Amino acid sequence: EAQVTQNPRYLITVTGKKLTVTCSQNMNHEYMSWYRQDPGLGLRQIYYSMNVEVTDKGDVPEGYKVSRKEKRNFPLILESPSPNQTSLYFCASSFGDRVVDTQYFGPGTRLTVL
Amino acid sequence: KNQVEQSPQSLIILEGKNCTLQCNYTVSPFSNLRWYKQDTGRGPVSLTIMTFSENTKSNGRYTATLDADTKQSSLHITASQLSDSASYICVVSAPLGDYKLSFGAGTTVTVRA
Repeated sequence: EAQVTQNPRYLITVTGKKLTVTCSQNMNHEYMSWYRQDPGLGLRQIYYSMNVEVTDKGDVPEGYKVSRKEKRNFPLILESPSPNQTSLYFCASSFGDRVVDTQYFGPGTRLTVL
Repeated sequence: KNQVEQSPQSLIILEGKNCTLQCNYTVSPFSNLRWYKQDTGRGPVSLTIMTFSENTKSNGRYTATLDADTKQSSLHITASQLSDSASYICVVSAPLGDYKLSFGAGTTVTVRA
């Protein structure tokens, strides 16, 4: 089954404790992206990757890191989480940046930073 | 200021009735406009994608329209069902080569029996 998976789905942590949220897709997509969703603000792009070893900042990259060493995986790293990073995070992927490419979203990771 | 504004923020409709959601955007130039449906606690799912040259696109009971001149789009839900209860998100894409998406905050639709 074609899908985007994220782990963990729920995470409660404390300020400053490094964490990684994994994202994996099995559709051989070139493009992957991370978003955070906060009430009233909609989805905001954190980082995106056009292909292996190619990443770029989105609208809200501060406090986050990403890597794309393999096509299928795109982990999101929070080196020193802070309470303002409490949010719902989504990973998404698509074949590329063609006009009609559909983005497929993962199920989301709800992160709470105390 | 958000480049994609949606209205209303929320609405409640009775099962079987129709409703229309609005999306105004300022992204320019733009490549395409998408509507997503997001059920509570799940990731968004694509409903329609329209390029700047398309005026309308349907997906079952969902019909999206686009007026690129006025930078407005609408999503019409016909004969609503309880399963239509969700958040509907308007997304605008910049031209090819700059794959940054601008998301609206969404309209929450509640369908009641």
